[in-house]
Amino acid sequence: SAVISQKPSRDICQRGTSLTIQCQVDSQVTMMFWYRQQPGQSLTLIATANQGSEATYESGFVIDKFPISRPNLTFSTLTVSNMSPEDSSIYLCSVRGRGNTEAFFGQGTRLTVV
Amino acid sequence: GQQVMQIPQYQHVQEGEDFTTYCNSSTTLSNIQWYKQRPGGHPVFLIQLVKSGEVKKQKRLTFQFGEAKKNSSLHITATQTTDVGTYFCAGFPTSGTYKYIFGTGTRLKVLA
Repeated sequence: SAVISQKPSRDICQRGTSLTIQCQVDSQVTMMFWYRQQPGQSLTLIATANQGSEATYESGFVIDKFPISRPNLTFSTLTVSNMSPEDSSIYLCSVRGRGNTEAFFGQGTRLTVV
Repeated sequence: GQQVMQIPQYQHVQEGEDFTTYCNSSTTLSNIQWYKQRPGGHPVFLIQLVKSGEVKKQKRLTFQFGEAKKNSSLHITATQTTDVGTYFCAGFPTSGTYKYIFGTGTRLKVLA
């Protein structure tokens, strides 16, 4: 199993600013992912965080808007840049081992952009 | 693209009634997982199904993987108020991707 510490748990931000979300795992994991979840909706994969290299982004998400870092196997950050009200959502960090194993999720960051 | 749909989108049941959610994939899956997300919480892993036609039980929960490995179901017997939440399936396509595709989710509300 893996325990994930994600912070902040929530924030209210002004449009045009940026917010960095941190994800710390208590053990080394192979796969780390960042998801967005609109209220009442399913999870949408933003990107896969790759250790020591550029993240792999899904269609509709770009590095300039959602820069991701992963300096080691236990830590990653997601930045939501130049925010607009449309970025208001819950952002979730997720980890799992290699292969089709179960995923563990952070508590999520509830972002409101005003 | 690959999609995983769930029905129903919402379900309200009286406590003690049964509940079933269905998960349908547009492509064949190598395996499927189920997650539960309580209101205000994060998804929590429930189970993984791998074999065609597989059935697994966890107390009042019964999970089934279809013979064609394109659909799955979760059945809850005699629901309780603690079952409230959104249930997601997550499928791994056989195409070799390392990413799993989350279903659209079914939100369950249990009325006491």
